[in-house]
Amino acid sequence: AQSVTQLDSQVPVFEEAPVELRCNYSSSVSVYLFWYVQYPNQGLQLLLKYLSGSTLVKGINGFEAEFNKSQTSFHLRKPSVHISDTAEYFCAVSIQGAQKLVFGQGTRLTINP
Amino acid sequence: EPEVTQTPSHQVTQMGQEVILRCVPISNHLYFYWYRQILGQKVEFLVSFYNNEISEKSEIFDDQFSVERPDGSNFTLKIRSTKLEDSAMYFCASSYSGGARNQPQHFGDGTRLSIL
Repeated sequence: AQSVTQLDSQVPVFEEAPVELRCNYSSSVSVYLFWYVQYPNQGLQLLLKYLSGSTLVKGINGFEAEFNKSQTSFHLRKPSVHISDTAEYFCAVSIQGAQKLVFGQGTRLTINP
Repeated sequence: EPEVTQTPSHQVTQMGQEVILRCVPISNHLYFYWYRQILGQKVEFLVSFYNNEISEKSEIFDDQFSVERPDGSNFTLKIRSTKLEDSAMYFCASSYSGGARNQPQHFGDGTRLSIL
């Protein structure tokens, strides 16, 4: 079975500082990887995805993530955050051939002015 | 941009009552999903639906739950005889395809179900 671990439940950063949200997964088969963002009182919005190819994936709102197969990680990064990035961020995996997404616990990103 | 819409945004129901949560997936999508998020816990997969039948379900999705696509646009989740532990945020999602070339799932804003 697949599992996803987001190592930090909360990450506070100052505005314009860089941020990295960590995600590790376990799976015995090849996976697809996703990051979703949930703004207050809203649903889950896709930030970016890794299906195959280049391990560095760029998404919306200036976010990027790097797939590291040897470390089974898919960490999310942004070089300079804004107040509007305050949200909960979810890492998710699905195995090839299956439909369900398996989510991590979520990381609450708080931006301080 | 097309959206997945869910109604109602908040549903309050007495324990033991039946509840139906409604979703309108994106119009050209073919795969439909329900997930739930109990407060403070992970988002959990419940069920996926394709070609008018369940294609995958989790162990959470027992006989208490059912899904239906009653017409060309709606996708519903029915919970019979609700329990206190069914209180959660329920998310509907849809995707154009599923499986081997996994297309991203697009999520609605959720229905918060409160069982009293």
